Amino acid sequence: RKEVEQDPGPFNVPEGATVAFNCTYSNSASQSFFWYRQDCRKEPKLLMSVYSSGNEDGRFTAQLNRASQYISLLIRDSKLSDSATYLCVVNIGYQKVTFGTGTKLQVIP
Amino acid sequence: GAVVSQHPSRVICKSGTSVKIECRSLDFQATTMFWYRQFPKQSLMLMATSNEGSKATYEQGVEKDKFLINHASLTLSTLTVTSAHPEDSSFYICSARGPGWTYNEQFFGPGTRLTVL
Repeated sequence: RKEVEQDPGPFNVPEGATVAFNCTYSNSASQSFFWYRQDCRKEPKLLMSVYSSGNEDGRFTAQLNRASQYISLLIRDSKLSDSATYLCVVNIGYQKVTFGTGTKLQVIP
Repeated sequence: GAVVSQHPSRVICKSGTSVKIECRSLDFQATTMFWYRQFPKQSLMLMATSNEGSKATYEQGVEKDKFLINHASLTLSTLTVTSAHPEDSSFYICSARGPGWTYNEQFFGPGTRLTVL
C-alpha cells in the first residue's frame, strides 16, 4: 500500500461548482498534512496546511480525519484558475515529506 | 515568499554525458535543500536531503554515486547526474528551507526538465 494515495482524476467540474478531494495515508504516526497545488510543468506551491480541527482559507476548506487516516480538500465556487493538480503531502518523519500522485482538477467554463 | 531558482530550466543531452543542475536560494540562507524527481503522471519522489557543509542523505534506491549532490554554501546546492541514460529523463525539482523554519516551510525551485537521448 502506498504511503499516500489520491484519486488521480481528472475531476471535470463546471465553474461555480463545489468539488472535494480525499487523500488517504497509511502511517498512523504521520504528524502533519498539507495540500499543494501544481500547475502543468511547474513546481508545487503550498496551498494550505491541514489542522486537526479543520481550517478554511477563502473558498478552500481542509479537514483531517485521524481515525480514518484521510484528509480532504473542498473547493467552493470553482474558478477556471483553480484548474491544476492538487497534491496531498504528509510529513511522516523528521524533515521528510511524502507527496501523493495528485488529483487533477479541470474547471470548465 | 522566499525565492528559489534552478538552472538550467531545460536540458537535452546525449546518453553517457553528465549534467549539472543548480539550485539557489535568492533571498534567504538555505540550511537544508531537498532534491526531488518527478516522472510523468507520478508524484514527486524525494531523492536526497542535503544540509549545508555536510554529506547528503540519500533515499533508499537512489544511487549516490550517480546523483552527486553538493551543498557547499548556504545559497547553492548542485545535483550532478553522472553518465546520464534515457531512464534518467525526468523533472528534477529542488526545494529549500531556512534555519529555524518548521518542516512544512519549504520553497520549491521551478524545476529542471532533463531529456537524455
